[in-house]
Amino acid sequence: EPEVTQTPSHQVTQMGQEVILRCVPISNHLYFYWYRQILGQKVEFLVSFYNNEISEKSEIFDDQFSVERPDGSNFTLKIRSTKLEDSAMYFCGALGGGEQFFGPGTRLTVL
Amino acid sequence: GENVEQHPSTLSVQEGDSAVIKCTYSDSASNYFPWYKQELGKRPQLIIDIRSNVGEKKDQRIAVTLNKTAKHFSLHITETQPEDSAVYFCAASMSSGAGSYQLTFGKGTKLSVIP
Repeated sequence: EPEVTQTPSHQVTQMGQEVILRCVPISNHLYFYWYRQILGQKVEFLVSFYNNEISEKSEIFDDQFSVERPDGSNFTLKIRSTKLEDSAMYFCGALGGGEQFFGPGTRLTVL
Repeated sequence: GENVEQHPSTLSVQEGDSAVIKCTYSDSASNYFPWYKQELGKRPQLIIDIRSNVGEKKDQRIAVTLNKTAKHFSLHITETQPEDSAVYFCAASMSSGAGSYQLTFGKGTKLSVIP
């Protein structure tokens, strides 16, 4: 099982502010994902990232979102101007052995 | 796109009884069906998965069945224990040309095992 860590564990921000969520895979994997889970709801796919490029993205992943792997290890999700409805748990995922494993998540609270 | 329906939304069973959770999917091209267990405040954890070339898979007290024709798959937990209490999510995906395995999740089933 690939290990993935995420920072911060909890982020509180004001509406309209930019946030950057970070994911650090322990093992060397090529496929990464971001999912979000609004409290009490299902997990929703945001974007997949392969070989330093976006592979797929969902309708949720609009122009306010971006992903990058700035230094070849960290994998970041940026929300440019947060809205109240962006409050959710954000999970980073990695693909290992054909299976997807999730990091511990970042709880984003937008006030 | 893919749509996954999951039933029931809540399920209470007595300890030792069996629990069954059912999911249907819409895209016949989907070929990978994992199940995740999520405890309160924690990440979803993969507990079992099945691929479309297999009809059934078992791992100790957990089993998953897949009916490709009907486009549904089920999770079976036997001899339930209090520690099985959690929210269970089914998911479906299709390996695309880029092999990215985007997962579409069901809405979850909250399983409560009563001691």
